[in-house]
Amino acid sequence: DAGVTQSPTHLIKTRGQQVTLRCSPISGHKSVSWYQQVLGQGPQFIFQYYEKEERGRGNFPDRFSARQFPNYSSELNVNALLLGDSALYLCASSLQGMGTEAFFGQGTRLTVV
Amino acid sequence: RKEVEQDPGPFNVPEGATVAFNCTYSNSASQSFFWYRQDCRKEPKLLMSVYSSGNEDGRFTAQLNRASQYISLLIRDSKLSDSATYLCVVRAGGYQKVTFGTGTKLQVIP
Repeated sequence: DAGVTQSPTHLIKTRGQQVTLRCSPISGHKSVSWYQQVLGQGPQFIFQYYEKEERGRGNFPDRFSARQFPNYSSELNVNALLLGDSALYLCASSLQGMGTEAFFGQGTRLTVV
Repeated sequence: RKEVEQDPGPFNVPEGATVAFNCTYSNSASQSFFWYRQDCRKEPKLLMSVYSSGNEDGRFTAQLNRASQYISLLIRDSKLSDSATYLCVVRAGGYQKVTFGTGTKLQVIP
């Protein structure tokens, strides 16, 4: 079975641009969560979606938005990129919420220049 | 105070040693606890959930102390392959946000 897949794996953007990151969860998993991991830090929770609805939101500005599609895949959008948005963006898939085992994708490494 | 705190290490231990990591959390309403392992430049992978009664998986033992608000991870008979960063994860009830610690780096040396 395919695991969690994220695309692209690497991305370079310029300050002020917009970016869209994509995640496909494990088949049968209905929950997708997004995290930002800056080098040397633990992942920071951005969003959780379950059954296409936002169920949780971390302390991130409104420049960050996400959605979940009927097939449970998800997109994370970041507008007006700042240098500080450079990080590894991780998607986690689980059957329900994080009370159940979550599986992470390999991440998208975003560099903002 | 950070919501979830871990000693960043690094912990440098010889093969075969026993090593323990602690993690403290500030939200007394936290309900779910996990340890994840993250190898360098890789994604985190679930190591084990942590239950109130404590639980063991092979060489790994996890404990939860709700009164003192900390969880621990004990690794016995350390292997070179155990070298990684160990992340403590805490979740409040329902769909509340999940909080990761900054991770504790373990290096097992021959």
